Amino acid sequence: GQNIDQPTEMTATEGAIVQINCTYQTSGFNGLFWYQQHAGEAPTFLSYNVLDGLEEKGRFSSFLSRSKGYSYLLLKELQMKDSASYLCAVLDSNYQLIWGAGTKLIIKP
Amino acid sequence: DVKVTQSSRYLVKRTGEKVFLECVQDMDHENMFWYRQDPGLGLRLIYFSYDVKMKEKGDIPEGYSVSREKKERFSLILESASTNQTSMYLCASSLGTSGGVNEQFFGPGTRLTVL
Repeated sequence: GQNIDQPTEMTATEGAIVQINCTYQTSGFNGLFWYQQHAGEAPTFLSYNVLDGLEEKGRFSSFLSRSKGYSYLLLKELQMKDSASYLCAVLDSNYQLIWGAGTKLIIKP
Repeated sequence: DVKVTQSSRYLVKRTGEKVFLECVQDMDHENMFWYRQDPGLGLRLIYFSYDVKMKEKGDIPEGYSVSREKKERFSLILESASTNQTSMYLCASSLGTSGGVNEQFFGPGTRLTVL
């Protein structure tokens, strides 16, 4: 079966750095997405990785290792507004998105 | 900016009622999707559509049907609502090309409660 694993919840301190991991086992791979979802709101697109390596976008970076079936989202200089759920999703061989259950990130002052 | 709108943010229905959830996107996207989101389960695909009048079952189509008569509109229908269909329903759209990022853009969601 297809599976995406990410931690259920993480806590970090304002101003710090946090890394949210995602491991996947899917039938084929056509890219990995990270989305941010604030409570009660729709998911919004953060990043897309299809090749191995690090993609940096401001305070957020996303890393992919296809051989290990592994990705992480790195958030730097954490702000209170970063409190949200972070969803990992993989595009499989049929171009269907397989979603993880999401990681709830709690930022403390 | 892509805009995906859904007909209601909150909806309360009774068991056995027929429920219509409407979704409209304004960016001429080919693909449209209906998901439900429940705590601890992530997003689960109900139905999707790659073109007008075309529909494909997702992972959990039972108890649902869809309609796509126009490119911009994708409707989700609960033929006879049941309490286990109480959930957050999210509509999404994407451009449709196989190359490129092709991310999905989401509507604000409809929180449906079935009593």
